[in-house]
Amino acid sequence: AQSVTQLGSHVSVSEGALVLLRCNYSSSVPPYLFWYVQYPNQGLQLLLKYTSAATLVKGINGFEAEFKKSETSFHLTKPSAHMSDAAEYFCAVSEKGGATNKLIFGTGTLLAVQP
Amino acid sequence: NAGVTQTPKFQVLKTGQSMTLQCAQDMNHEYMSWYRQDPGMGLRLIHYSVGAGITDQGEVPNGYNVSRSTTEDFPLRLLSAAPSQTSVYFCASSPTQGRGQYFGPGTRLTVL
Repeated sequence: AQSVTQLGSHVSVSEGALVLLRCNYSSSVPPYLFWYVQYPNQGLQLLLKYTSAATLVKGINGFEAEFKKSETSFHLTKPSAHMSDAAEYFCAVSEKGGATNKLIFGTGTLLAVQP
Repeated sequence: NAGVTQTPKFQVLKTGQSMTLQCAQDMNHEYMSWYRQDPGMGLRLIHYSVGAGITDQGEVPNGYNVSRSTTEDFPLRLLSAAPSQTSVYFCASSPTQGRGQYFGPGTRLTVL
């Protein structure tokens, strides 16, 4: 069965510092991978997705993620954090070639950005 | 396009009451899903549908029913509310595999 692990339920960075949010997946074949962001009291917004094209994926708001098959990882990065990046981030996986398009989510990482 | 809409935004129920959470999308998406979000647990899939007339159970289906009579609508029914169903509920839709899912704004449900 597929699963997603996000290391670190809370991450705090200074404004202007590198953001690194970790995600590892467990799947028998490389799946589709997604990062979502949730701002307080809002729904989830898709940041970026990996669907087997380029392994380095660029998303919105300056975020990017790299798919590493050998490490079964899909870590999210941003070179310079802004105060507006403070939110909760979820990594999710979907079975490639399956009929259902179900998403399996990690437990989330709450990002705090200090001035 | 309005995208994915959910009503109500907030709801308080007493134990044993029933209610329906509404979800609608105007993007002609085949896939629709219901998730619940609880602190420290991420989002968990309750039920999903791959098209009108087709539904199936997700990870946590007990206590919930769904139906999909049209492509646009995917209501979630709580048959007899329990305090364990206090949560934030999100509906999502997707056109095809690999495109990601579009989420509604959520319904915050409290069961007393």
